[in-house]
Amino acid sequence: SYELTQPPSVSVSPGQTARITCSGDALPKNYAYWYQQKSGQAPVLVIFEDSKRPSGIPERFSGSSSGTMATLTISGAQVEDEADYYCYSTDSSGIRGVFGIGTKVTVL
Amino acid sequence: QVQLVESGGGVVQPGRSLRLSCSASGFTFSNFGMHWVRQAPGKGLEWVALIWDDGSNKYYADSVKGRFTISRDNFKNTLYLQVNSLRAEDTAVYHCARSPYCSGTTCYAPDYWGQGTLVTVSS
Repeated sequence: SYELTQPPSVSVSPGQTARITCSGDALPKNYAYWYQQKSGQAPVLVIFEDSKRPSGIPERFSGSSSGTMATLTISGAQVEDEADYYCYSTDSSGIRGVFGIGTKVTVL
Repeated sequence: QVQLVESGGGVVQPGRSLRLSCSASGFTFSNFGMHWVRQAPGKGLEWVALIWDDGSNKYYADSVKGRFTISRDNFKNTLYLQVNSLRAEDTAVYHCARSPYCSGTTCYAPDYWGQGTLVTVSS
C-alpha cells in the first residue's frame, strides 16, 4: 500500500526555522496537505494544495513541493507551534487518502 | 460557522457492529464531500472512507473495505459510518471531516474536522 514518509520528530529553538519533509512516489502528480494537531484536539489544516495557506493560519507556516518530496516550513517557530504535524495526499488512484506517520515538533 | 459533531461510539465486543453519525451545520451539507478519518490511541491519523456530495461515489481504505460502509442523508445533514465485524485494531477516535470540493475524479483533502467519537473494541 502507498506510504508517505515523515521524520518522527523535529526539534527547534524558539525563533528558528523548522522544516518537516514528506516523501511519496505519487507526490509529483498529487497535492500535499499539512495538518497541525495539538494534544486532545482535532487536526487543523495549515497548508493545502502544496503551498496555499488557509485564512487565519500565521504567515510563518509555508509549504512547498518538488518531485517526490513536500516540505512544511515554520519560519520563526513559536512555543505554541509545538504539535504533531501530518502530511496528507492521495495514492495513485488520486482518490484514496493517505497520511504520513506524523512528526512531533518540539520548540525549546 | 462550520460544525461537525460525531456520535454513536462506545464499547463493543469483537465481531459486533456500530453505526456512527456525524451531524453537520453551518454550511450547505449537500454541496460537500465528506471523509471519515480515525486515530487509534497514541497513534497517527488514518484515512478511512470518502463519499461524494451526492453519495454517488464511495471509497474505502483497504483495512476497512468490505466491513465499513459510508453513507449520507442530505435531508438530515448527517453522515454515517456503519462499522461491522469489529476488531481490536479498529479501536480509535473516529472523526468526520468535510472535503471543500469534489470534481468528477476526486475529492479534496479535509478542511474542517469534528472532535470525534471513540470506539473501543474489547471483550
